[in-house]
Amino acid sequence: DIQMTQSPSSLSASVGDRVTITCQASQDISNYLNWYQQKPGKAPKLLIYDASNLETGVPSRFSGSGSGTDFTFTISSLQPEDIATYYCQQYDNLPTFGGGTKVEIK
Amino acid sequence: EVQLVQSGAEVKKPGESLKISCKGSGYSFTSYWIGWVRQMPGKGLEWMGIIYPGDSDTRYSPSFQGQVTISADKSISTAYLQWSSLKASDTAMYYCVRANCGGDCYLSPFDYWGQGTLVTVSS
Repeated sequence: DIQMTQSPSSLSASVGDRVTITCQASQDISNYLNWYQQKPGKAPKLLIYDASNLETGVPSRFSGSGSGTDFTFTISSLQPEDIATYYCQQYDNLPTFGGGTKVEIK
Repeated sequence: EVQLVQSGAEVKKPGESLKISCKGSGYSFTSYWIGWVRQMPGKGLEWMGIIYPGDSDTRYSPSFQGQVTISADKSISTAYLQWSSLKASDTAMYYCVRANCGGDCYLSPFDYWGQGTLVTVSS
Protein backbone atom coordinates (compact mmCIF):
# COMPACT_ATOMS: atom_id res chain seq x y z
CA ASP A 1 0.00 0.00 0.00
CA ILE A 2 1.07 3.57 -0.63
CA GLN A 3 1.02 5.46 2.67
CA MET A 4 -0.14 9.08 2.73
CA THR A 5 1.17 11.23 5.59
CA GLN A 6 -0.86 14.38 6.07
CA SER A 7 0.05 17.27 8.35
CA PRO A 8 -0.91 18.92 10.53
CA SER A 9 -3.69 16.74 11.96
CA SER A 10 -5.48 19.88 13.09
CA LEU A 11 -5.07 23.61 12.89
CA SER A 12 -6.77 26.75 14.11
CA ALA A 13 -6.66 29.95 12.06
CA SER A 14 -8.44 33.27 11.82
CA VAL A 15 -10.86 34.29 9.11
CA GLY A 16 -8.83 35.67 6.22
CA ASP A 17 -5.70 33.70 7.07
CA ARG A 18 -3.79 31.63 4.54
CA VAL A 19 -3.97 27.95 5.47
CA THR A 20 -1.60 25.28 4.16
CA ILE A 21 -1.83 21.51 4.51
CA THR A 22 0.81 19.09 3.31
CA CYS A 23 0.59 15.49 2.18
CA GLN A 24 3.54 13.18 1.59
CA ALA A 25 3.36 9.89 -0.29
CA SER A 26 5.52 6.90 0.61
CA GLN A 27 6.52 6.57 -3.04
CA ASP A 28 6.31 8.55 -6.27
CA ILE A 29 2.66 8.98 -7.30
CA SER A 30 3.23 11.50 -10.10
CA ASN A 31 0.24 13.86 -9.89
CA TYR A 32 -2.36 11.22 -8.95
CA LEU A 33 -3.43 13.14 -5.88
CA ASN A 34 -6.84 14.52 -4.90
CA TRP A 35 -8.10 16.68 -2.05
CA TYR A 36 -11.51 16.32 -0.42
CA GLN A 37 -13.44 18.45 2.08
CA GLN A 38 -15.69 16.84 4.66
CA LYS A 39 -17.96 19.09 6.69
CA PRO A 40 -19.34 17.75 9.97
CA GLY A 41 -22.07 15.18 9.40
CA LYS A 42 -21.72 15.32 5.61
CA ALA A 43 -20.18 13.21 2.88
CA PRO A 44 -16.78 14.27 1.55
CA LYS A 45 -16.63 16.51 -1.53
CA LEU A 46 -13.95 16.57 -4.22
CA LEU A 47 -12.16 19.93 -4.32
CA ILE A 48 -8.90 19.36 -6.20
CA TYR A 49 -8.01 16.54 -8.59
CA ASP A 50 -4.73 15.57 -10.24
CA ALA A 51 -2.85 17.62 -7.63
CA SER A 52 -3.74 21.06 -8.93
CA ASN A 53 -7.01 21.06 -10.88
CA LEU A 54 -9.97 22.79 -9.29
CA GLU A 55 -13.21 20.81 -9.49
CA THR A 56 -16.05 22.68 -11.20
CA GLY A 57 -17.86 25.04 -8.86
CA VAL A 58 -15.17 25.08 -6.16
CA PRO A 59 -14.13 28.56 -5.04
CA SER A 60 -10.80 29.78 -6.35
CA ARG A 61 -9.43 30.38 -2.83
CA PHE A 62 -8.72 26.65 -2.80
CA SER A 63 -5.62 25.44 -4.63
CA GLY A 64 -3.25 22.50 -4.79
CA SER A 65 0.29 21.90 -5.96
CA GLY A 66 3.03 19.31 -6.02
CA SER A 67 4.08 16.13 -7.77
CA GLY A 68 6.04 12.99 -7.01
CA THR A 69 5.86 12.55 -3.24
CA ASP A 70 5.17 16.02 -1.83
CA PHE A 71 1.91 17.91 -2.18
CA THR A 72 0.37 21.07 -0.74
CA PHE A 73 -3.22 22.22 -0.34
CA THR A 74 -3.88 25.90 0.31
CA ILE A 75 -6.84 28.03 1.32
CA SER A 76 -5.76 31.54 0.39
CA SER A 77 -8.22 33.33 2.67
CA LEU A 78 -10.00 31.18 5.24
CA GLN A 79 -13.77 31.65 5.42
CA PRO A 80 -16.15 30.49 8.16
CA GLU A 81 -17.76 28.01 5.76
CA ASP A 82 -14.37 26.30 5.26
CA ILE A 83 -14.58 24.66 8.70
CA ALA A 84 -14.13 21.01 7.82
CA THR A 85 -11.72 18.12 7.73
CA TYR A 86 -9.59 17.89 4.61
CA TYR A 87 -8.21 14.66 3.19
CA CYS A 88 -5.64 13.93 0.52
CA GLN A 89 -6.02 10.73 -1.51
CA GLN A 90 -3.68 9.04 -3.96
CA TYR A 91 -4.81 6.92 -6.88
CA ASP A 92 -1.53 5.90 -8.47
CA ASN A 93 -2.22 2.46 -7.03
CA LEU A 94 -5.14 1.12 -4.97
CA PRO A 95 -6.56 4.32 -3.45
CA THR A 96 -5.44 5.40 0.00
CA PHE A 97 -6.27 8.50 2.01
CA GLY A 98 -4.26 10.68 4.32
CA GLY A 99 -5.27 10.85 7.96
CA GLY A 100 -7.09 14.17 7.59
CA THR A 101 -6.61 17.74 8.79
CA LYS A 102 -9.30 19.32 10.92
CA VAL A 103 -9.53 23.06 10.25
CA GLU A 104 -11.07 25.29 12.89
CA ILE A 105 -11.60 29.03 13.28
CA LYS A 106 -9.55 30.74 15.95
CA GLU B 1 -28.06 15.79 -12.13
CA VAL B 2 -25.81 12.94 -10.99
CA GLN B 3 -27.00 11.40 -7.73
CA LEU B 4 -26.00 8.43 -5.61
CA VAL B 5 -28.73 7.59 -3.11
CA GLN B 6 -27.92 5.06 -0.42
CA SER B 7 -30.18 2.87 1.68
CA GLY B 8 -31.02 3.83 5.25
CA ALA B 9 -29.28 3.27 8.54
CA GLU B 10 -29.05 -0.29 9.87
CA VAL B 11 -28.76 -1.73 13.37
CA LYS B 12 -27.63 -5.35 13.46
CA LYS B 13 -26.30 -7.96 15.87
CA PRO B 14 -22.90 -9.63 15.56
CA GLY B 15 -23.08 -12.62 13.24
CA GLU B 16 -25.98 -11.28 11.19
CA SER B 17 -25.80 -10.65 7.46
CA LEU B 18 -26.41 -7.31 5.75
CA LYS B 19 -26.62 -5.84 2.25
CA ILE B 20 -26.68 -2.07 1.75
CA SER B 21 -27.38 -0.34 -1.54
CA CYS B 22 -26.45 2.66 -3.65
CA LYS B 23 -28.67 3.74 -6.53
CA GLY B 24 -27.18 5.89 -9.26
CA SER B 25 -29.12 8.29 -11.44
CA GLY B 26 -28.50 11.15 -13.83
CA TYR B 27 -25.73 9.39 -15.76
CA SER B 28 -24.97 6.13 -17.56
CA PHE B 29 -24.67 3.74 -14.59
CA THR B 30 -22.91 1.05 -16.60
CA SER B 31 -20.16 3.40 -17.80
CA TYR B 32 -18.54 4.45 -14.50
CA TRP B 33 -16.94 2.52 -11.68
CA ILE B 34 -18.74 2.63 -8.29
CA GLY B 35 -16.70 2.20 -5.12
CA TRP B 36 -17.22 1.99 -1.37
CA VAL B 37 -15.45 3.95 1.37
CA ARG B 38 -15.59 3.21 5.10
CA GLN B 39 -15.41 5.79 7.87
CA MET B 40 -15.31 4.38 11.37
CA PRO B 41 -16.60 6.62 14.18
CA GLY B 42 -14.35 9.66 14.56
CA LYS B 43 -11.83 8.28 12.08
CA GLY B 44 -10.61 8.84 8.54
CA LEU B 45 -11.56 7.43 5.15
CA GLU B 46 -10.69 3.94 3.90
CA TRP B 47 -11.22 2.69 0.36
CA MET B 48 -12.81 -0.76 0.36
CA GLY B 49 -13.24 -1.72 -3.26
CA ILE B 50 -14.87 -0.88 -6.56
CA ILE B 51 -17.04 -2.41 -9.27
CA TYR B 52 -17.68 -1.66 -12.93
CA PRO B 53 -21.42 -2.24 -13.37
CA GLY B 54 -21.02 -2.69 -17.11
CA ASP B 55 -19.36 -6.09 -16.70
CA SER B 56 -19.19 -6.55 -12.87
CA ASP B 57 -15.37 -6.38 -12.87
CA THR B 58 -14.56 -5.91 -9.17
CA ARG B 59 -11.40 -4.92 -7.29
CA TYR B 60 -10.88 -4.99 -3.52
CA SER B 61 -8.52 -3.37 -1.09
CA PRO B 62 -6.39 -6.14 0.48
CA SER B 63 -7.73 -4.96 3.86
CA PHE B 64 -11.29 -5.81 2.86
CA GLN B 65 -10.81 -8.75 0.47
CA GLY B 66 -12.79 -11.69 1.84
CA GLN B 67 -14.52 -9.52 4.45
CA VAL B 68 -17.17 -7.97 2.20
CA THR B 69 -18.72 -8.54 -1.22
CA ILE B 70 -19.36 -5.80 -3.74
CA SER B 71 -21.94 -6.38 -6.46
CA ALA B 72 -24.18 -4.47 -8.84
CA ASP B 73 -27.47 -4.88 -10.66
CA LYS B 74 -27.24 -2.77 -13.77
CA SER B 75 -30.91 -3.33 -14.60
CA ILE B 76 -31.85 -1.13 -11.63
CA SER B 77 -28.68 1.04 -11.55
CA THR B 78 -27.80 -0.14 -8.05
CA ALA B 79 -24.56 -1.21 -6.40
CA TYR B 80 -24.35 -3.22 -3.20
CA LEU B 81 -22.03 -3.85 -0.29
CA GLN B 82 -22.69 -6.95 1.75
CA TRP B 83 -21.47 -8.83 4.79
CA SER B 84 -22.18 -12.48 5.57
CA SER B 85 -21.34 -12.23 9.27
CA LEU B 86 -21.08 -8.80 10.86
CA LYS B 87 -18.69 -7.92 13.66
CA ALA B 88 -18.84 -5.03 16.12
CA SER B 89 -15.80 -3.60 14.34
CA ASP B 90 -17.92 -3.18 11.18
CA THR B 91 -19.74 -0.31 12.91
CA ALA B 92 -19.12 2.65 10.62
CA MET B 93 -20.50 5.02 8.04
CA TYR B 94 -20.24 3.61 4.53
CA TYR B 95 -20.18 5.83 1.46
CA CYS B 96 -20.59 4.83 -2.15
CA VAL B 97 -18.58 6.89 -4.63
CA ARG B 98 -18.40 7.30 -8.39
CA ALA B 99 -14.98 7.12 -10.00
CA ASN B 100 -14.65 9.86 -12.57
CA CYS B 101 -13.92 7.65 -15.53
CA GLY B 102 -15.07 4.46 -17.14
CA GLY B 103 -13.65 1.47 -18.94
CA ASP B 104 -10.22 0.39 -17.73
CA CYS B 105 -9.48 3.36 -15.49
CA TYR B 106 -10.98 2.52 -12.10
CA LEU B 107 -8.17 4.51 -10.52
CA SER B 108 -9.53 8.06 -10.68
CA PRO B 109 -10.96 10.84 -8.49
CA PHE B 110 -14.24 10.21 -6.69
CA ASP B 111 -16.40 12.98 -8.11
CA TYR B 112 -19.76 12.04 -6.58
CA TRP B 113 -20.52 10.60 -3.15
CA GLY B 114 -23.65 9.07 -1.69
CA GLN B 115 -25.08 10.50 1.52
CA GLY B 116 -23.73 7.57 3.56
CA THR B 117 -25.27 4.58 5.31
CA LEU B 118 -24.60 4.21 9.03
CA VAL B 119 -24.20 0.59 10.07
CA THR B 120 -24.26 -0.16 13.79
CA VAL B 121 -23.38 -3.65 14.99
CA SER B 122 -24.09 -4.27 18.64
CA SER B 123 -25.32 -7.10 20.81
